[in-house]
Amino acid sequence: KQEVTQIPAALSVPEGENLVLNCSFTDSAIYNLQWFRQDPGKGLTSLLLIQSSQREQTSGRLNASLDKSSGRSTLYIAASQPGDSATYLCAVIRGSGGGADGLTFGKGTHLIIQP
Amino acid sequence: DVKVTQSSRYLVKRTGEKVFLECVQDMDHENMFWYRQDPGLGLRLIYFSYDVKMKEKGDIPEGYSVSREKKERFSLILESASTNQTSMYLCASSLTNTNEQFFGPGTRLTVL
Repeated sequence: KQEVTQIPAALSVPEGENLVLNCSFTDSAIYNLQWFRQDPGKGLTSLLLIQSSQREQTSGRLNASLDKSSGRSTLYIAASQPGDSATYLCAVIRGSGGGADGLTFGKGTHLIIQP
Repeated sequence: DVKVTQSSRYLVKRTGEKVFLECVQDMDHENMFWYRQDPGLGLRLIYFSYDVKMKEKGDIPEGYSVSREKKERFSLILESASTNQTSMYLCASSLTNTNEQFFGPGTRLTVL
């Protein structure tokens, strides 16, 4: 059964720093990997989707990489801002065959950017 | 932009009541999903549907059922609500070719 782990569970850094959030998964036969952001009491906002054939995706100050063979993904946030404060979640599709299936989530990294 | 809406942001029900949570998406997505989110346990998949009238069990289907009569609408049903079903419920939808999932704002359900 696929398990997803995110380290660290919480992180507090001063504004302006570059930072890296880590995600690992136990079964490397994944279809894709998705990074989300969740603000307190709210739903999830999709940040980046990496297909299994890709190694990275970029959106603005965010860059996500994927190394299937080692079962790892990282989310890099450049020049962090207080508005980046949120919980960041990593998720992979439960099966490896693609198509419709639910996601298996990590428990998230709670990020605080200090002004 | 994809829009997924959920019928209520907050809901309070009594033990034993039948509860309906509604989810609607406006992007013609084939797939729809229901998750629950609990502190310390994270998000867990309850049920999903890949087509009208089709459904598949997720990781924690016990105590729940679902209905998908129209492509845009997916309902989660608690036949007889119990206090351990107090949770945040999140609906999502996706296209099959990417399975990038888009989430609604969530419904915070409290069962007393």
